[in-house]
Amino acid sequence: EPEVTQTPSHQVTQMGQEVILRCVPISNHLYFYWYRQILGQKVEFLVSFYNNEISEKSEIFDDQFSVERPDGSNFTLKIRSTKLEDSAMYFCAQRGGRETYNEQFFGPGTRLTVL
Amino acid sequence: GQSLEQPSEVTAVEGAIVQINCTYQTSGFYGLSWYQQHDGGAPTFLSYNALDGLEETGRFSSFLSRSDSYGYLLLQELQMKDSASYFCAISGHYGGSQGNLIFGKGTKLSVKP
Repeated sequence: EPEVTQTPSHQVTQMGQEVILRCVPISNHLYFYWYRQILGQKVEFLVSFYNNEISEKSEIFDDQFSVERPDGSNFTLKIRSTKLEDSAMYFCAQRGGRETYNEQFFGPGTRLTVL
Repeated sequence: GQSLEQPSEVTAVEGAIVQINCTYQTSGFYGLSWYQQHDGGAPTFLSYNALDGLEETGRFSSFLSRSDSYGYLLLQELQMKDSASYFCAISGHYGGSQGNLIFGKGTKLSVKP
């Protein structure tokens, strides 16, 4: 069964640096999402992406965040100037196809550590 | 806004049945989902209720009552591997796009031998 994959699995960066987190989605699925989870806390919605456009974003998704699909397949989340509080697990997810439309398939996550 | 409340921790023994409740406040939503997350892992889908009533999937069942703003996840014949965190989530909400999940804070289930 196809899976969502993410790279890197762990990213360590200095405060103020830019990071790019990557997601390789399952082909032929149309809705994409990014979530984050601060250690020990709940999963929080960041942004949804459909038809190569942002369809909705949360209050967390401010101007320092951006999403792109640079080559039409891979999917990136960029944080322009990282802050200590950006340290979290970042998950990309995809909505299922016709048979699994109400499910979201999560990637394994990227653990971002900002020092 | 939306909010979901769950117990923070539940403990049960192997072979038992456990119910994890979820109460919510929202102006409207398309469905209530449940996800399982093991330590260090990604959330994985368990169940979805669009309509009131019970949905059964093997050892897991989920229930929704929109009139009571309440749902639950029922786990039967508990196994050690069921030790994990369980999150209820509103799936899509009126006024926003379908699909994005708003999660509760999660319930950590510990299964003892």
